[in-house]
Order: sequence, then C-alpha cells, then structure tokens
Amino acid sequence: LAKTTQPISMDSYEGQEVNITCSHNNIATNDYITWYQQFPSQGPRFIIQGYKTKVTNEVASLFIPADRKSSTLSLPRVSLSDTAVYYCLVGDKDYQLIWGAGTKLIIKP
Amino acid sequence: NAGVTQTPKFQVLKTGQSMTLQCAQDMNHNSMYWYRQDPGMGLRLIYYSASEGTTDKGEVPNGYNVSRLNKREFSLRLESAAPSQTSVYFCASSEGDRGTHTDTQYFGPGTRLTVL
Repeated sequence: LAKTTQPISMDSYEGQEVNITCSHNNIATNDYITWYQQFPSQGPRFIIQGYKTKVTNEVASLFIPADRKSSTLSLPRVSLSDTAVYYCLVGDKDYQLIWGAGTKLIIKP
Repeated sequence: NAGVTQTPKFQVLKTGQSMTLQCAQDMNHNSMYWYRQDPGMGLRLIYYSASEGTTDKGEVPNGYNVSRLNKREFSLRLESAAPSQTSVYFCASSEGDRGTHTDTQYFGPGTRLTVL
C-alpha cells in the first residue's frame, strides 16, 4: 500500500521561496502526482500536477525525481495569502487515491 | 458555471437520526467523490463513482451509503448518525472516468455536520 509523508507545518516570510516535499512509495507508475491548497472553511483547490521532472505554472513549480519516490512543491516569492494547508495526492499500484496528511504553511510579514 | 455545489452547508443531528447530503456538478464530469475531513486532519475518501450508475468504496465507507442519481448528482446518506461521524464532508468531481485516477478534482464548499 502506498504511503505519503509531508512535514506537518512550515513557516516562512513574505518574498521567500518555499519548498514543501512529499515522500511517497509504491505509487502507480503511470499516474500523476498532484498538489492541492486548502484555505480554512473551503474545499481543496488544485495547484499543480506532474508525472516526472519539472512542471511549472503561473503559481508554482513541481519537481519530481526520476525514481518518483518524492515530489517537491515550490512556491516562489510567497505572500501572506499563501498561508494555507498544502496536500499531495498520489495513486497507488491498486489505483487507490492516497492523500498526504497536509502541510500547514504560515507566511509571516 | 457554479462548479460543485453542496447542500446543506451546516447540519446538526442527534444520534440515530438519518440524513442525506446532496452534491451536484455542472462541469459534465464523469467521476464524483465524497470525502470527510476531521478537525486538523487530511481528507479521507468515503465513496466514489467513476461513472453514472457505478459506485465503489473508499477508505472509510462504514456507516454511509451513496447514490449516483445521474451524471450531475451524487448523494451521501447517513442512515443512523453517530457522534464519530461529526466532520466536514466534501464532494468533488473530476473529468476522468476511472475514479481512482489522480486527475484534477474540483471540490465543493463542504457540509459541516455535527452529531450530538
């Protein structure tokens, strides 16, 4: 059974780059790795998704090494509004959805 | 487009009461999901539906039933509510028809349920 591990919490300051890593083993070889953001009292919202190497969109980058045993979400130049909980999502070899427990990111002025 | 809508937003039940949580999506998605999120915890999948007419159990299905009424609607029923079912319930949908594929999921605003 696949398992994911994320840091419980992280702090940073406005303008800094933040990297959040999710470790995952026994994931499906042909499935995406996806990251979501959740604000209090809201449902999670899609941030970025990738299969391997590096993916970048307007809000984040996602780095996935060749062995796909981890993924790193990179948020460039964070602001106070990036304070949220960040979840990684993978699929395991039995095609079950495996959510990380979430990383609470706090951005300070 | 409204996206994914859920009703009600809040509900308080007494132990043993029953209720149905409603979810609808207007994105013509094939897959729909029900999750629960306990305070300070991550998401746990209750049930999902990969296509109209099919449903499958997730990680924590006990005490719940679901119905995929049509392509748009996916309801979650608690037949006999228990305090352990106090949680926030999220419905989500995705375009893919496998249900367990990690394609992008779009979430509703949630239903906050308290069972006394």
